[in-house]
Amino acid sequence: RKEVEQDPGPFNVPEGATVAFNCTYSNSASQSFFWYRQDCRKEPKLLMSVYSSGNEDGRFTAQLNRASQYISLLIRDSKLSDSATYLCVVKRDDKLIFGTGTRLQVFP
Amino acid sequence: DTAVSQTPKYLVTQMGNDKSIKCEQNLGHDTMYWYKQDSKKFLKIMFSYNNKELIINETVPNRFSPKSPDKAHLNLHINSLELGDSAVYFCASSPRDTSYEQYFGPGTRLTVT
Repeated sequence: RKEVEQDPGPFNVPEGATVAFNCTYSNSASQSFFWYRQDCRKEPKLLMSVYSSGNEDGRFTAQLNRASQYISLLIRDSKLSDSATYLCVVKRDDKLIFGTGTRLQVFP
Repeated sequence: DTAVSQTPKYLVTQMGNDKSIKCEQNLGHDTMYWYKQDSKKFLKIMFSYNNKELIINETVPNRFSPKSPDKAHLNLHINSLELGDSAVYFCASSPRDTSYEQYFGPGTRLTVT
């Protein structure tokens, strides 16, 4: 079982839809939490950090539930350009542990 | 004005050969990393260096040897390449440690035949 688990998808949604991704982590010693985005055949890039109080960046909202060891990402008003793989990432012992990613495909 | 660069972008080689991948960052960051992304897209850390000092060695076979001549460069040398080494290798850097955003290079796609 992987330390960071994600549904691989793909999630196929129309433009304008709201889509939510979930992620669970198994190590309670995890200290920090992030969502990275990876486009096809490109490098990962930080999308946003995730805080216990929840945080929003434009159309993106991230939530963390430490008790349940659960992280979520909500994307509102999906755009074609949101099509990518979304990687759930936790920091533990000075390392970033990556999930295998959830693929999102937004269609016109 | 590339932040983290890697060479080569593609590398095709035969089993048993020795090859190197170079990485350079011009961000002034203290910490650099090597990651491997396998065919299932699973991205896993291999090594991290802070100011030329090895911090993390994630049980990687000793055929893999990182070298950091200065804090802007972290190269990866691989001896006796095996089929299972085929993957995309990403270099990354961050200002100090993993509390900060990591900036990834474009990746080196290694194919061992």
